[in-house]
This record gives sequence, C-alpha cells and structure tokens, in this order.
Amino acid sequence: QKEVEQDPGPLSVPEGAIVSLNCTYSNSAFQYFMWYRQYSRKGPELLMYTYSSGNKEDGRFTAQVDKSSKYISLFIRDSQPSDSATYLCAIESYSGGGADGLTFGKGTHLIIQP
Amino acid sequence: EPEVTQTPSHQVTQMGQEVILRCVPISNHLYFYWYRQILGQKVEFLVSFYNNEISEKSEIFDDQFSVERPDGSNFTLKIRSTKLEDSAMYFCASSITPAPRDYTFGSGTRLTVV
Repeated sequence: QKEVEQDPGPLSVPEGAIVSLNCTYSNSAFQYFMWYRQYSRKGPELLMYTYSSGNKEDGRFTAQVDKSSKYISLFIRDSQPSDSATYLCAIESYSGGGADGLTFGKGTHLIIQP
Repeated sequence: EPEVTQTPSHQVTQMGQEVILRCVPISNHLYFYWYRQILGQKVEFLVSFYNNEISEKSEIFDDQFSVERPDGSNFTLKIRSTKLEDSAMYFCASSITPAPRDYTFGSGTRLTVV
C-alpha cells in the first residue's frame, strides 16, 4: 500500500520564522519526492523535487529527504505572508511499466502572520 | 508561462445528471491526467491518457467515468450519472514526459452535486 502521511495543521507562525513541514511515507518504491504549494481555489504548483537522500535548496526553500527513516521535510526560511497556502508533499513511484503517478499527502495549511 | 486551463471553475449539478469537465492542456504536451480532491481529503489519481487511450486508471475511475480528447486540444472528463460523493475539486494535469514531476496542473473545477 502506498501511503503518505502529513499533518493537516493549521500551522500558524509569525512572519520571518523558519517553517518546517513534514511527511512520512511507507513504501520503499517511492523514488521522487515533491513539494507542491496550493493557494485557495487553485491547482497544485510544483515548488521543488528531489530524488536522493539529503538536502536540496532553492532560494528560501530547502527540501530534505531521509530515505532510511522514510521522512521528508520542507523548510521555509524568512517566511512571508505570501507563503500562506496549503503545502502538499507528493511522491512519485515507479514499477516495471513506468511511472505509477503521484501519491499525495493531505496537505498542511500554513498561515504566516504579519 | 503556458497554463492548463479548466472550465467551468464551478459547476453545480443535480444527482443523476451527466457532467462534462473540460481541460485545455499545454499545447505541446502529450500526457494528460485527471485527479480529484474531495474537500478535506487528499488529492487522488483518477486516470492517465496518452496517444488517445487510457494508460492507467485508479479504482475510483469506474464505469461512470470516461475521458476523451475529442479535437486534439481539449481533454474532457465525463461523469455519466453523478452521485453526491462525486462532489470534489477535479484537477486536470498535462506533461510533455510521463514523469509526474513534470506535470502542470490546472486550477481545477469545483463540482457540487446536489
């Protein structure tokens, strides 16, 4: 069973704080790990993805994967009110026939207080 | 930046009626998808479509659902006899490769079945 667990929040932090968002997953077949941002009444927008264990940085965002503990994280530095959104982790898996699609977490609703 | 366009943004329909949700994928994309998100739940995969046929479908995509690419630009999802539990946001996605990390999602159609 491919499952991805994510705390739905809401998570409320003051502007400028470092935000930590997390997901756990159960299936070792997962290979690519994505973070999406979703604003109200909009579709998911890809923020970043990573393949291997370790960190990947893009501006104020850092994605971290620990495959040994099946744990993925997204850190947001210097958080801004415009970062207020729902953040979805999603994991891509592959089987013999190719990509099996995306398995999403439930999303964490993040509120950055001005 | 190219976008995936979905219409309508919100549709209300009576239980038992047929609905067609429309998507215009990005013009050079070859792979097309439908996902749905019931309020408060995870984004779930419905179906993938490539080369004018369904590549993969989930357990949710039963006989009441069908997809079509009628004219080379639109990609539609038809629900034949809607049920209350079909109420959800339906997201179309398209991609130039089959890799889920390359998806571009549309803004979604909110379907309300009354």
